[in-house]
Amino acid sequence: DTGVSQNPRHKITKRGQNVTFRCDPISEHNRLYWYRQTLGQGPEFLTYFQNEAQLEKSRLLSDRFSAERPKGSFSTLEIQRTEQGDSAMYLCASSEVSGGKTDTQYFGPGTRLTVL
Amino acid sequence: GENVEQHPSTLSVQEGDSAVIKCTYSDSASNYFPWYKQELGKRPQLIIDIRSNVGEKKDQRIAVTLNKTAKHFSLHITETQPEDSAVYFCAANQAGTALIFGKGTTLSVSS
Repeated sequence: DTGVSQNPRHKITKRGQNVTFRCDPISEHNRLYWYRQTLGQGPEFLTYFQNEAQLEKSRLLSDRFSAERPKGSFSTLEIQRTEQGDSAMYLCASSEVSGGKTDTQYFGPGTRLTVL
Repeated sequence: GENVEQHPSTLSVQEGDSAVIKCTYSDSASNYFPWYKQELGKRPQLIIDIRSNVGEKKDQRIAVTLNKTAKHFSLHITETQPEDSAVYFCAANQAGTALIFGKGTTLSVSS
C-alpha cells in the first residue's frame, strides 16, 4: 500500500495520560498535515510541515500538543495530559508541492482517540 | 482567515436523480477547491477538485462549478446511485496551505 498510513488506528486512554500517534506519508510528498475531526464535523487543521520544518500551527493546537517530522519523512503527534475533549479522529494528509503548483492532499485512515 | 460554509447539511434523493451541494468561501485569495467523499469510518477521499483559473470541471457523473466573483462553488452529481451515499465535504485553500473544510453534507440515495 503506497498511500498515507497512520498508527495506531485506535487508542483508548485515561484522562491525564500522554499519547503519541504516527503518520507515514506518501514517500515522495514533502508536505504533511495534521487535522482533527469530531463527529458530524469536517476536518479541522492543526499543523503542517514542509519537509522537517513546521510551517504553521492552528490556534486549536494547545501547548499540550506537539508535532514533529524529524527527518522530513514520518511525523508524530503527541498529546500530553489528555482531556476528554481531545477525543476525536486525528487525520494525517500529505501532498507534493513544487514550483508553486497547488497541491492535492491525500488522507490517511486516521487514529481514533478515546479519552476516558 | 478563510471560512467555508456548506449546505445543505443533509440531502435525500431517489436513485437516478441529481444532487447539488453548495459552498461559499470568504477569502478571495483562495485558489484551490477540492471535494472529498467520506464513508462511515473511512478516510476522506478526493473525488474532484477545481482551481481558480477554471470555471467548471467534469468527471463522468460528477461536476464542479466555481464562481470566483460570488465566492461560491458547487458539486453536481448526476444519475445518483446508492453507492454515492456518504458525507461530502467541500474545502478551500491557497496553494500548499491547510485546507479549510465545510461542515459536510450527508447524502442519502434511496433505490
